Amino acid sequence: DTGVSQDPRHKITKRGQNVTFRCDPISEHNRLYWYRQTLGQGPEFLTYFQNEAQLEKSRLLSDRFSAERPKGSFSTLEIQRTEQGDSAMYLCASSPDGFLPYEQYFGPGTRLTVT
Amino acid sequence: GQQVMQIPQYQHVQEGEDFTTYCNSSTTLSNIQWYKQRPGGHPVFLIQLVKSGEVKKQKRLTFQFGEAKKNSSLHITATQTTDVGTYFCAGPFSGGYQKVTFGTGTKLQVIP
Repeated sequence: DTGVSQDPRHKITKRGQNVTFRCDPISEHNRLYWYRQTLGQGPEFLTYFQNEAQLEKSRLLSDRFSAERPKGSFSTLEIQRTEQGDSAMYLCASSPDGFLPYEQYFGPGTRLTVT
Repeated sequence: GQQVMQIPQYQHVQEGEDFTTYCNSSTTLSNIQWYKQRPGGHPVFLIQLVKSGEVKKQKRLTFQFGEAKKNSSLHITATQTTDVGTYFCAGPFSGGYQKVTFGTGTKLQVIP
């Protein structure tokens, strides 16, 4: 399977705990995106990587959220001191390089539930 | 702030009827992408439009990008039950580089 993979698929955590999600993009894709999606809403942009460089980050993203892509391949998204409002589906997507954004290939997502 | 709105929010159609969703941006878009998300699934890329006034067709689906690059539409002819899902438009605002803003989505239900 050469698609985008995410791990874990589901995560239940208690409020205040830290969680980390992993995304493995399509191998030849340089661009990697993280989104958050809540029920009935469209994906909300969180951050974007070009290879290992984090080039854009949503202003909505609080300091509790951090993302890395250390070797320009897989990426991790960490949420510190989780809150109930963080409960959502976290989607990762990758796309080929180019001047304009190209089509994004999404992974299955990680569903986070904060209790 | 910059927003992308879609109407209608929900649409129920009888199988065989046509369906249209409209996408409206508060500011000019560099390009427009359309995605389909099946219930319980993740967004799947359908098409990208780049030029002002561009029209593209994929079988029963017709996509348009407005002259001012602030609106777009997706029209499905003779809907089938396989068309069920939520349709999102998405695009970077001019000067927004790679940040892609998704629309609010239109959820389509097809009644057999």
